[in-house]
Amino acid sequence: SQTIHQWPATLVQPVGSPLSLECTVEGTSNPNLYWYRQAAGRGLQLLFYSVGIGQISSEVPQNLSASRPQDRQFILSSKKLLLSDSGFYLCAWTGESNSPLHFGNGTRLTVT
Amino acid sequence: SQQGEEDPQALSIQEGENATMNCSYKTSINNLQWYRQNSGRGLVHLILIRSNEREKHSGRLRVTLDTSKKSSSLLITASRAADTASYFCATIPTGRRALTFGSGTRLQVQP
Repeated sequence: SQTIHQWPATLVQPVGSPLSLECTVEGTSNPNLYWYRQAAGRGLQLLFYSVGIGQISSEVPQNLSASRPQDRQFILSSKKLLLSDSGFYLCAWTGESNSPLHFGNGTRLTVT
Repeated sequence: SQQGEEDPQALSIQEGENATMNCSYKTSINNLQWYRQNSGRGLVHLILIRSNEREKHSGRLRVTLDTSKKSSSLLITASRAADTASYFCATIPTGRRALTFGSGTRLQVQP
């Protein structure tokens, strides 16, 4: 069966520090991968999605970036965090773009 | 702006009552999906209804879709305290390649 792993679960980082969040999927190949961010009590904002290795589409211009170095690995990064980067970051995958998404358990990021 | 918007933003009911949540969207769609999120967790897919379907059932869930009004509803019958969560509708807007989520309905079921 397919599983998705996302870590860390929580993270507290100072303003200006770098960020690296990792997401991996097991039990499937060539998944579509997504990074979403959720502000407290709000809906999900799509940040990045990828349909293949090295193929990254950005939805919102900001100081975040994403990479897909391997088929089932999706990384969210920042060189210098801002206070506004605080939020709940969710990774998700699907086999086809119109199919249901499978989410990880999320990373709660607090930038202080 | 959000493709899907849920209504109401918050709903509080007693156990055993039915809960109805509504979703409106803006562009044509292939399907509409509903998700559930427990506090502090990832979202879990509940049900998918295709654009050529008008109603779909899954256990205590009933989803309707009216493409002429660009709206959908999620009905949870005989609610339980364990149904307490946020519920989101999601669609892929025309010309886009990823699901766009509404702001959600926070459901509180009182035991």
